[in-house]
Amino acid sequence: DAGVTQSPTHLIKTRGQQVTLRCSPKSGHDTVSWYQQALGQGPQFIFQYYEEEERQRGNFPDRFSGHQFPNYSSELNVNALLLGDSALYLCASSSPGRHNEQFFGPGTRLTVL
Amino acid sequence: AQSVTQLGSHVSVSEGALVLLRCNYSSSVPPYLFWYVQYPNQGLQLLLKYTSAATLVKGINGFEAEFKKSETSFHLTKPSAHMSDAAEYFCAVSDQGTGFQKLVFGTGTRLLVSP
Repeated sequence: DAGVTQSPTHLIKTRGQQVTLRCSPKSGHDTVSWYQQALGQGPQFIFQYYEEEERQRGNFPDRFSGHQFPNYSSELNVNALLLGDSALYLCASSSPGRHNEQFFGPGTRLTVL
Repeated sequence: AQSVTQLGSHVSVSEGALVLLRCNYSSSVPPYLFWYVQYPNQGLQLLLKYTSAATLVKGINGFEAEFKKSETSFHLTKPSAHMSDAAEYFCAVSDQGTGFQKLVFGTGTRLLVSP
């Protein structure tokens, strides 16, 4: 049983560019959450998707947007990249009715130059 | 608003010694509490969780944690450290209930294990 998978593993972009990160949830899970983990910090909640709609959002600007597809996979898009967007982006999935039991993927390391 | 405070950004122990990682939470509603471990260049792995059943929770790899409401604490312990326990540990809190939940994490504690 594959766990949560994310792609790509690493990504280097320059300021002002746009980036798309991808996530496939664990089998049987229908909810996807995204977190940003800056170096030396704990993960911070960005947003959560269920039934292709954003259900909760953390304190992140509109430059951060997402999407969930009918197969429950998800994308995180970040526009107009800033140096401060450099971080590990973690995707987590959860099963119906157990949204606080989240399983994390390995993350995508984004570096903005 | 919920928050978690992890005391000590780094904790050093010798192999075979007791591991104690501290976590205090703040929540206006009954919380669920979690400990996650992160190895270098990897995602987060759930060690254990408190979901209002037993206050002493046993997790994987010999770790356990005790929920103490009077102290608003959820400290993580392991009787005997192993070299493979060296990693970053995160405490997290969420609301109880089956609705959409987010995890609020602490800043983490790096556990160093020396031979």
